[in-house]
Amino acid sequence: KNQVEQSPQSLIILEGKNCTLQCNYTVSPFSNLRWYKQDTGRGPVSLTIMTFSENTKSNGRYTATLDADTKQSSLHITASQLSDSASYICVVSGTFNQAGTALIFGKGTTLSVSS
Amino acid sequence: SQTIHQWPATLVQPVGSPLSLECTVEGTSNPNLYWYRQAAGRGLQLLFYSVGIGQISSEVPQNLSASRPQDRQFILSSKKLLLSDSGFYLCAWSGFGGHEQYFGPGTRLTVT
Repeated sequence: KNQVEQSPQSLIILEGKNCTLQCNYTVSPFSNLRWYKQDTGRGPVSLTIMTFSENTKSNGRYTATLDADTKQSSLHITASQLSDSASYICVVSGTFNQAGTALIFGKGTTLSVSS
Repeated sequence: SQTIHQWPATLVQPVGSPLSLECTVEGTSNPNLYWYRQAAGRGLQLLFYSVGIGQISSEVPQNLSASRPQDRQFILSSKKLLLSDSGFYLCAWSGFGGHEQYFGPGTRLTVT
């Protein structure tokens, strides 16, 4: 069964600290993996997208890693800011199809950054 | 640049009432369009998708329906809302293949 599991479910950190969010997936075949940031009450916004041949990709203070062999990904946030408080969703794309319905969504990790 | 709009932003409706949520996309042609529902503490659930005008596919059986009357307009409807229809509804668009989907701001629906 295609699944995406994220951990931890929630996380509280102090402003300025680093943190790492985890994503494990069992989606096969694998096409690509994305991390989205979703602010409360807003739609998700894409942070990074990686194909199976990419090991790391950065977007400012956000760095995503991918190990296609172990089917694990992580999102590392450096020098956290209050505005980083949000839900972070890992999305894995499976078999390609025109409609793009092969996306498997994780439940997300809720990050709270406190001052 | 492309933008996606949803309205209303929030909605409170009684059980048994009808529903109409609208989504429009600007700056692109012939997009794939999607409706998702996000319940509290759960991941996004794909409800409907459309690859063209008048072409609607449903992913889960429910009392909701979708329509695409124009290329860049996607509507989510219900004739009679249930309590279980409460949630956060997201519209998204993509190009061919849908590997990169762009989400709208969402509609918070509360059925009372």
